[in-house]
Amino acid sequence: EIVLTQSPGTLSLSPGERATLSCRASQSLGSNYLAWYQQRPGQAPRLLIYGASSRATGVPDRFTGSGLGTDFTLSISRLDPEDFAMYYCHQYGSAPRTFGQGTKLEMK
Amino acid sequence: EVQLVESGGGLVQPGGSLRLSCSASGFIFTSFTMHWVRQAPGKGLEYVSSISVGGRSTNYAHSVEGRFTISRDNAKNSLYLQMTSLRTEDTAIYHCVKSLSTVTSPFDSWGQGTLVTVSS
Repeated sequence: EIVLTQSPGTLSLSPGERATLSCRASQSLGSNYLAWYQQRPGQAPRLLIYGASSRATGVPDRFTGSGLGTDFTLSISRLDPEDFAMYYCHQYGSAPRTFGQGTKLEMK
Repeated sequence: EVQLVESGGGLVQPGGSLRLSCSASGFIFTSFTMHWVRQAPGKGLEYVSSISVGGRSTNYAHSVEGRFTISRDNAKNSLYLQMTSLRTEDTAIYHCVKSLSTVTSPFDSWGQGTLVTVSS
């Protein structure tokens, strides 16, 4: 199975700053079947990015996904207080599907 | 509006069995691959299982393969997860999840989940 490794484990930033989250796959993802989710405490995950770089419906353009092969990035420009949450990457092109262990984006 | 409502969770002893159900509405159930994803208390997301639109093709995480069985009843717009030989590490909230589209796609809509606690 494909292992996804996210870094850093925790990212401490202030509102208005830029966040860069990384996700590395143990093998190349065909067709860039890589998604990013945001999860706030007590809530179900929300799809942000799919196909490595396509924004899901209703996602603000301050969220940008990039990468191909084995290295992927989620960038959040101009952090809003509501952006502080857990973020997970997910590969859906190879069975079984897998998630990264998550990055906690916390307010400094 | 997509609605996914899980039921069937509860407390079960190690080695026991449980059957989860998910009632779906607000979309054409027969057009989408469906999934189960779980989250242990305070932990990350873990993929559990998927089933194709017709139910003939299924996939499982290695951690549950041979113990869990996913199924669906398209006439009832329902998804199921039969869990046997349960272990303490299966304790989690189990979410019913819909695919984004009718082709290979990520998870889109999530139910609020049902809690399964495996403990003696």
